Amino acid sequence: NAGVTQTPKFQVLKTGQSMTLQCAQDMNHEYMSWYRQDPGMGLRLIHYSVGAGITDQGEVPNGYNVSRSTTEDFPLRLLSAAPSQTSVYFCAIRLHGLAETNEQFFGPGTRLTVL
Amino acid sequence: KQEVTQIPAALSVPEGENLVLNCSFTDSAIYNLQWFRQDPGKGLTSLLLIQSSQREQTSGRLNASLDKSSGRSTLYIAASQPGDSATYLCAASTDSWGKLQFGAGTQVVVTP
Repeated sequence: NAGVTQTPKFQVLKTGQSMTLQCAQDMNHEYMSWYRQDPGMGLRLIHYSVGAGITDQGEVPNGYNVSRSTTEDFPLRLLSAAPSQTSVYFCAIRLHGLAETNEQFFGPGTRLTVL
Repeated sequence: KQEVTQIPAALSVPEGENLVLNCSFTDSAIYNLQWFRQDPGKGLTSLLLIQSSQREQTSGRLNASLDKSSGRSTLYIAASQPGDSATYLCAASTDSWGKLQFGAGTQVVVTP
């Protein structure tokens, strides 16, 4: 997984609870992002960061919060979990270089269930 | 907004047959297109990346083509094996920072 770690692997929450999904990388990559994957749909971008202190919204940001205080870590916070946030969450990193040549690599995912 | 489509959603082929997986996109202004493999319950494994200026890219039994004018990319897997059974996803990079727009994937089963 190109040095991308995600914790936890599995999590069950009750509606209204909050939690933080962790993503860490050890290769000093600037670009990190969070996607969610739902059955029958492609992955959708939640938030992304182009460097420490810089974050922006993706396609489906509502209900999620992010910050990037270090290059290595990009946590995703669920402020008040809802059943609609039941999904598999993937963190991705992008290697340095020209946009055209950059592959993206994904972590192993966190499977979240909200009851 | 870029829309990425993969048809069919599922495909079953006998071992040894060549696999042809399709990916179409609505906006030809892409930076690159990336193909991924996903095994059940696992993360995404990058297979190939085709730059916007390239027509094709090859890695072993895999060959991916890109035709921006028609909004299509095709992934060919030669001489399929049961180990190729997985879901294959394509994703178009829509800006210089690499935001990806994904298709829903094609689930492939290769039968012995």
